[in-house]
Amino acid sequence: KNQVEQSPQSLIILEGKNCTLQCNYTVSPFSNLRWYKQDTGRGPVSLTIMTFSENTKSNGRYTATLDADTKQSSLHITASQLSDSASYICVVSGDTDKLIFGTGTRLQVFP
Amino acid sequence: EAQVTQNPRYLITVTGKKLTVTCSQNMNHEYMSWYRQDPGLGLRQIYYSMNVEVTDKGDVPEGYKVSRKEKRNFPLILESPSPNQTSLYFCASSLWPGENTGELFFGEGSRLTVL
Repeated sequence: KNQVEQSPQSLIILEGKNCTLQCNYTVSPFSNLRWYKQDTGRGPVSLTIMTFSENTKSNGRYTATLDADTKQSSLHITASQLSDSASYICVVSGDTDKLIFGTGTRLQVFP
Repeated sequence: EAQVTQNPRYLITVTGKKLTVTCSQNMNHEYMSWYRQDPGLGLRQIYYSMNVEVTDKGDVPEGYKVSRKEKRNFPLILESPSPNQTSLYFCASSLWPGENTGELFFGEGSRLTVL
């Protein structure tokens, strides 16, 4: 069964610290993997899209990595800011029309 | 500005009273989709559409209908809403979800409460 699992479910860090969120998937065959940021009560916004051939991709202080062999991805946030408080959702696409969503990691950044 | 627009943003209704949540995108996207988001469950797909007049069930289609008569619009219809349909609903569109450039653009969400 195609699944996307994210860990941890929730995370609390202090402003200025770094953190890493994990995404493991069993989707096969694999097309691409996306990370979205969702502020509370708002629509998700795309951070990165990574294909099979990409190992790492950055978007400002956000860096996503992908290991297609182990079917794992991580999202690293550098020098966290209060505005990073949000849910981060990992989404994987296979060779069909379907997108497989993870349940997200809720990040809280405190001053 | 490229956007996905949903209406209404907030709605309180009663069981059995038909309602429609509209969704419109201005990016000429082929693909549109509806999701519901409930605490602890993440986003679950209700219906999706690959093009005009082409719609397919997602993971949780029961109690919902959709139509895609025009490329830009993809309304979600609740014929007889029930309390278990109380949720936060998102519409999204994409050029094509499987392509490298197939970024999924989401609307701002519609919070529906069924009493």
